[in-house]
Amino acid sequence: GAVVSQHPSWVICKSGTSVKIECRSLDFQATTMFWYRQFPKQSLMLMATSNEGSKATYEQGVEKDKFLINHASLTLSTLTVTSAHPEDSSFYICSLQGSTDTQYFGPGTRLTVL
Amino acid sequence: QQPVQSPQAVILREGEDAVINCSSSKALYSVHWYRQKHGEAPVFLMILLKGGEQKGHEKISASFNEKKQQSSLYLTASQLSYSGTYFCGTEIGGKLIFGQGTELSVKP
Repeated sequence: GAVVSQHPSWVICKSGTSVKIECRSLDFQATTMFWYRQFPKQSLMLMATSNEGSKATYEQGVEKDKFLINHASLTLSTLTVTSAHPEDSSFYICSLQGSTDTQYFGPGTRLTVL
Repeated sequence: QQPVQSPQAVILREGEDAVINCSSSKALYSVHWYRQKHGEAPVFLMILLKGGEQKGHEKISASFNEKKQQSSLYLTASQLSYSGTYFCGTEIGGKLIFGQGTELSVKP
């Protein structure tokens, strides 16, 4: 299966600042990656589909100007939370679809906005 | 569009069995099952691709009824390590949409 890493594992930032989260595919070239957000005790909610070399596709209700996604290479997608606020505090997880339709998840990034 | 899981939570004694159900109002082409421990990312359990398919690994198995748009996950002789939140996921337009999760607690 594919190995996915995320960086950082956790981040604490002040309200109003921007935070960048990296998602790397270590052994698989991924033209498509997915970004999920999970609030405590809730399910994983798909935020956007990251497409290599083109614009990301955002789910309904997700602000594309607030959650900037860049997928510049087949192994790296980044999610930038701009002007973060406490309500953006969450667990952000990326994933990619492997060759057998299985989705492989990164370990997640816990964002806390003070 | 989100698949519906039941029950929402279940508490078991070690060695007992459990069934977690997942149903969808839309046609299902595949069902994915994941387990998530607190504070960690989901871990893939299995994927069922065909109607009527059943799969299993050790004491965890699943079935997929395409006509009923349902899937069930069976955990037999549960172990403490089975504790966690189980999610089913259904593919819609190439995207994986998760159910709300079933929290499973296995007590000694």
